[in-house]
Amino acid sequence: QSVLTQPPSVSGAPGQRVTISCTGSSSNIGAGYDVHWYQQLPGTAPKLLIYGNNNRPSGVPDRFSGSKSGTSASLAISGLQAEDEADYYCQSYDSSLSDILFGGGTKLTVL
Amino acid sequence: QVQLVESGGGVVQPGRSLRLSCAASGFTFSGYGMHWVRQAPGKGLEWVAAIRYDGNNKYYADSVKGRFTISRDNSKNTLYLQMNSLRAEDTAVYYCARVGGANLGPLDYWGQGTLVTVSS
Repeated sequence: QSVLTQPPSVSGAPGQRVTISCTGSSSNIGAGYDVHWYQQLPGTAPKLLIYGNNNRPSGVPDRFSGSKSGTSASLAISGLQAEDEADYYCQSYDSSLSDILFGGGTKLTVL
Repeated sequence: QVQLVESGGGVVQPGRSLRLSCAASGFTFSGYGMHWVRQAPGKGLEWVAAIRYDGNNKYYADSVKGRFTISRDNSKNTLYLQMNSLRAEDTAVYYCARVGGANLGPLDYWGQGTLVTVSS
């Protein structure tokens, strides 16, 4: 079980908005460490999607947004498209474990 | 453009060793921290190890501490992962990734991965 908890799956119809949560604790997200999000399309390497809680690298559509509050973070995807179907992972750092952590991943299905 | 190309994966028996390499190009390799991240078949991402830009500090996940060694040769623009005493649970695709910005910055570029299978 991951220290950063994500829902195993979420789904939405094209055009809809979905959110993926990433729940941590006072030694990681709650301690102020940044949360980053990655998208992994089937059969490919992960790709950085959101960094520093709410920043998009160049080339990432503004349909993707991130937020953080307390011990949790969220990734929101609006205007869902078929090509958004992928696995999504949050990542942060834990000061108690002195480890870089990934969430367990969330599989997004576009209906 | 930034490129990271892993190599060295393969099938190895439990208890044996393997060394992975990650050839970097398209950026000043000596200026960036680097990580290894693995993904077991059908599973999520697991951080393995990290090394600072100058190689002076190294960090490991508990699951590999004492068995794996991360290193780099900045003159060859290459990152390494020496894996000893391999176990079945080390079977995974191993990715190298670059740290963008500060030490705990995001992994902004990833290689395509190399598959390591530990099996008798």
